[in-house]
Amino acid sequence: DGGITQSPKYLFRKEGQNVTLSCEQNLNHDAMYWYRQDPGQGLRLIYYSQIVNDFQKGDIAEGYSVSREKKESFPLTVTSAQKNPTAFYLCATTTPGSSYEQYFGPGTRLTVT
Amino acid sequence: AQSVAQPEDQVNVAEGNPLTVKCTYSVSGNPYLFWYVQYPNRGLQFLLKYITGDNLVKGSYGFEAEFNKSQTSFHLKKPSALVSDSALYFCAVRDGGATNKLIFGTGTLLAVQP
Repeated sequence: DGGITQSPKYLFRKEGQNVTLSCEQNLNHDAMYWYRQDPGQGLRLIYYSQIVNDFQKGDIAEGYSVSREKKESFPLTVTSAQKNPTAFYLCATTTPGSSYEQYFGPGTRLTVT
Repeated sequence: AQSVAQPEDQVNVAEGNPLTVKCTYSVSGNPYLFWYVQYPNRGLQFLLKYITGDNLVKGSYGFEAEFNKSQTSFHLKKPSALVSDSALYFCAVRDGGATNKLIFGTGTLLAVQP
C-alpha cells in the first residue's frame, strides 16, 4: 500500500450522520482519487483531484463531498444524502508523467445502519 | 468511451496448473492497460501494465499478460498457480484525456485449490 494511509480501517455510523474518511499520502503525487467498491461492481470513481484546491466529480459524486487544501490530503465526506453509503472506499494517487498506474491505500470499510 | 470487460466472475484452478484471467477492452486510440490484485479487505496492488512495445508483459509475483490487438484482449496468465494467488483480480484501462482516470472491470475472483 506504499505511502498512502487511510483511516480508520472500519467505520460504523448511524443513518443520517455525515462521516469523513481520511486519505493521506507522502508520495508527493499530484493527483488523488476516491473510489467506491461494491461486490460485483468493480471500482467506481467518486471524485478526483489533479492539483491542490481543485477537484472534479467522478461517475457517482452525488451524496459525497471532498476538499484538497493540501497536496498530501484528500478527505472524503459521505453525507446523509448518499442513499446507500455502506461500501468499501479506496483512495488512490498517481503522478503526471508516469505511465498512469495508480497506487492505492488500504481502504476504509464504512457500515451505516 | 473506454471500457474493459472481465467475462468471468470466478476462475477455479488447481495448484500447479496454469491460470488465465480474461480481459477484453474497447478504446479509441492506443490502449494503456493494467492489472491489479486485491486480497480481502485490502487495497489494490499493481501487477503489470501495457503501454507500448512487446505484447507479452511481465509483472510481479510471476504474472504476465498478453496484449492482443486483433482480439482486443489483455489476458492475465501465470504458468503455475499457487494457493496464495487466490484473490480478486481487476483489469483497467486508462481513460482518454488529461485526467489519468482508470476505468476498471468488475473483477474476477481466482480460487486456487490445493
